[in-house]
Amino acid sequence: AQSVAQPEDQVNVAEGNPLTVKCTYSVSGNPYLFWYVQYPNRGLQFLLKYITGDNLVKGSYGFEAEFNKSQTSFHLKKPSALVSDSALYFCAVTLTGGTASKLTFGTGTRLQVTL
Amino acid sequence: GAVVSQHPSRVICKSGTSVKIECRSLDFQATTMFWYRQFPKKSLMLMATSNEGSKATYEQGVEKDKFLINHASLTLSTLTVTSAHPEDSSFYICSAREPDRDTQYFGPGTRLTVL
Repeated sequence: AQSVAQPEDQVNVAEGNPLTVKCTYSVSGNPYLFWYVQYPNRGLQFLLKYITGDNLVKGSYGFEAEFNKSQTSFHLKKPSALVSDSALYFCAVTLTGGTASKLTFGTGTRLQVTL
Repeated sequence: GAVVSQHPSRVICKSGTSVKIECRSLDFQATTMFWYRQFPKKSLMLMATSNEGSKATYEQGVEKDKFLINHASLTLSTLTVTSAHPEDSSFYICSAREPDRDTQYFGPGTRLTVL
């Protein structure tokens, strides 16, 4: 079985400060890891993914995430937060073999960026 | 690229009626599409995996006779909620797997309200 944990329901950051949204995972194999963002009453937008290779993955809108196999983590980061980054962020995992396999989502973390 | 649309974006219906939701991949062919349900302030719950030209695979606890899925072409999957009841009110989101990028792309969601 595969699972994803997002330990923080909400993260509050001041605009211009760096942000981190935490994610840890559990799979019995090599993971594919994803971050998605959801704005109110909207579907999910793909931000970035890790499949293999460089542990630091860069994605859309200046976001990046670092895959840490020993800590089974895939934290989302951004050097300088914007108010427009305020949204709901989901981490997801599937086993290597692609997303024809089922994605398992975390419970989501609400990011609130204030002026 | 990799755009997924859903129609309608919101629908209100009377109890006992059926509602059809369409999910289309606009600029790629998707042999696999997924249907999710999202409750308020909750994560996404996978309902079923839709494979073009074959029967959908439903998750445990999801009634296949109530949630009919048809994936008749490589760009279209439909979810029909039959004999809808107020407890079926929810936000339904589809995704389509883009094979070249091995990533799921999500539609904007459909808000269903059953009176």
